[in-house]
Amino acid sequence: GAGVSQSPRYKVAKRGQDVALRCDPISGHVSLFWYQQALGQGPEFLTYFQNEAQLDKSGLPSDRFFAERPEGSVSTLKIQRTQQEDSAVYLCASSLGTSGLNEQFFGPGTRLTVL
Amino acid sequence: SQKIEQNSEALNIQEGKTATLTCNYTNYSPAYLQWYRQDPGRGPVFLLLIRENEKEKRKERLKVTFDTTLKQSLFHITASQPADSATYLCALLHNNAGNMLTFGGGTRLMVKP
Repeated sequence: GAGVSQSPRYKVAKRGQDVALRCDPISGHVSLFWYQQALGQGPEFLTYFQNEAQLDKSGLPSDRFFAERPEGSVSTLKIQRTQQEDSAVYLCASSLGTSGLNEQFFGPGTRLTVL
Repeated sequence: SQKIEQNSEALNIQEGKTATLTCNYTNYSPAYLQWYRQDPGRGPVFLLLIRENEKEKRKERLKVTFDTTLKQSLFHITASQPADSATYLCALLHNNAGNMLTFGGGTRLMVKP
């Protein structure tokens, strides 16, 4: 079927606003990852879900960042009280199994610009 | 501190030549190393995975080597084509960090016709 999709593709927020970024993984994929990619840098890990369980959130930069995957499929990354340093591309990836050997399939990302 | 380093300067080569990209790491014990390709405005696309006990892996025009003594991986594209122009990212999977991938900063490759 279709690959990983993310929406919106672009988001402009005023500093202090809350934003919600959506990820639709490949159907049936157990694992879901969120990454943050600053301009000219590689993706940085934010959080990892196995089905609906958030097993690792060690990469979330502050308590303003929150992610959920309540039914084990679609995931939402929420950023509260956005700051300029939150401006980046937010990438979602999914993989079929739970092993690190599984290929991660990435979505196109959401480019967030905080003014 | 832990570091994954890729040459931040773009690599410019002529079509038909072999491109070689380098990934060096310090203070990691990776179980696996992966290479991804990323085009502008798109997410990374998986290319190859190599395990710590493998010295070399090939896929079509791509070849990856992994030297755990030197703490280095080399990524080669033979008979390069302008369509190979992209940013190439290496990523490590730690032995004891679940599924978390740690990415290098990427190297941009430009293949000129």
